[in-house]
Amino acid sequence: DQQVKQNSPSLSVQEGRISILNCDYTNSMFDYFLWYKKYPAEGPTFLISISSIKDKNEDGRFTVFLNKSAKHLSLHIVPSQPGDSAVYFCAASARIYGQNFVFGPGTRLSVLP
Amino acid sequence: GAGVSQSPSNKVTEKGKDVELRCDPISGHTALYWYRQSLGQGLEFLIYFQGNSAPDKSGLPSDRFSAERTGGSVSTLTIQRTQQEDSAVYLCASSPPLRLARQETQYFGPGTRLLVL
Repeated sequence: DQQVKQNSPSLSVQEGRISILNCDYTNSMFDYFLWYKKYPAEGPTFLISISSIKDKNEDGRFTVFLNKSAKHLSLHIVPSQPGDSAVYFCAASARIYGQNFVFGPGTRLSVLP
Repeated sequence: GAGVSQSPSNKVTEKGKDVELRCDPISGHTALYWYRQSLGQGLEFLIYFQGNSAPDKSGLPSDRFSAERTGGSVSTLTIQRTQQEDSAVYLCASSPPLRLARQETQYFGPGTRLLVL
C-alpha cells in the first residue's frame, strides 16, 4: 500500500518547455514534502521542499505546488533543460512520526534538445 | 566539505553469505538513514538513527537485516544469509540537527550496489 504515489513512471519534454511532475499521497498526517533528483550511479540530491502551511514554494526554475485537500503536489520546472534529465522522487514526512520519510517510486524525466 | 560516503561501491556475493555495508555520514549530522532501491522501484526505508535515541527499525524487511551506528557517526548495515531478492542499491543518508537546518534535508551517499548470485 503505497502512501506516496508517482503515477507517471516517465515523462518527456522538449527543451525550453515546462516539465510538470506529479505526486499524490494518502496519509493526511504528512505535513512536509520534498523533491529529490537522482542521476544514474549517484545518490538522490535535495531539490526543493514545501511545508503543509504553504501552497507554493519557488526556487529559481523550480516551483512546488501543494493542494492539501486533494493530497496532491506537483513540481514545475521551467524552462526545462537537458541537464534536468533525471529521476525525480517525491517524499513526505509527518512530524508526529519523527524524521522518517516516505518516498514515491520516482518519475524519469527526459528533456529533449 | 565531504559528503556522505559509502563503501564498498559495488559488492557481489553468493547466496547465503553475510555482507556488511558501511556509511560515513557528514560530520555533525545527527540523523542517519538507510534505504534500498530495487531495480525499477522507489526508495524503500529500512532504518533510521537519531542521536542517542533507539533506532526506528520499522522498515527492516526481515531479521536477517540489522544495523548499528557506533559513536553516533559511522553506521554498518549487515545482511546475513543473503538472498537473491536482497540485490539492490543500498543508500545511506544523513541529516543535520533540526535546530541547525533551515529545513529537513537528507544528504545521500552514492550507494552500494549489491548483487547476490
